[in-house]
Amino acid sequence: SAVISQKPSRDICQRGTSLTIQCQVDSQVTMMFWYRQQPGQSLTLIATANQGSEATYESGFVIDKFPISRPNLTFSTLTVSNMSPEDSSIYLCSASPGGGSYNEQFFGPGTRLTVL
Amino acid sequence: SQKIEQNSEALNIQEGKTATLTCNYTNYSPAYLQWYRQDPGRGPVFLLLIRENEKEKRKERLKVTFDTTLKQSLFHITASQPADSATYLCALAQYRDDKIIFGKGTRLHILP
Repeated sequence: SAVISQKPSRDICQRGTSLTIQCQVDSQVTMMFWYRQQPGQSLTLIATANQGSEATYESGFVIDKFPISRPNLTFSTLTVSNMSPEDSSIYLCSASPGGGSYNEQFFGPGTRLTVL
Repeated sequence: SQKIEQNSEALNIQEGKTATLTCNYTNYSPAYLQWYRQDPGRGPVFLLLIRENEKEKRKERLKVTFDTTLKQSLFHITASQPADSATYLCALAQYRDDKIIFGKGTRLHILP
């Protein structure tokens, strides 16, 4: 299993600024994932972050807007850049200690972002 | 287009009864299907995983079925309790793909 923490838990930001969300796992994991969840909506995968390689972004998400770091096997950051009110959402990170989609994912508690 | 559909309306079930939630998918060939529980303000929590060659999986009061012909999974909670009230998400994973794709979830209310 894995315990995942995220910081900050919530933030209110001004349009045009950037916010970096941190995700810490209590064990070493190969794969980490970043999701966005808008109210009443499903979790939408932003990108997959593997240590030692560039993040893989899903359609509709680009590195310039959502740069991701993965400096080691227990930590990742997601930056939401040049924010607009449309970026208001809950951002979740997850990890799959067993690796691959055939193993369960463990999720952090989420970061609730409001952009004014 | 690819879709994962779960009941968008909330499901109200009397305590003690069996709650059944549905997950239908189109234009996917999932190798695995997972079910998660999400409480307000928290991240999803894994419940069960079922493989495409498995018809049924059980864990305590939970049961999942997977019908690749109907392209459907059913999630059952027997002897339901108010503490089972939450949103339940199904998620699909395809072969050779490390990511999983989530449905919107179904809100379940167990009425005392």
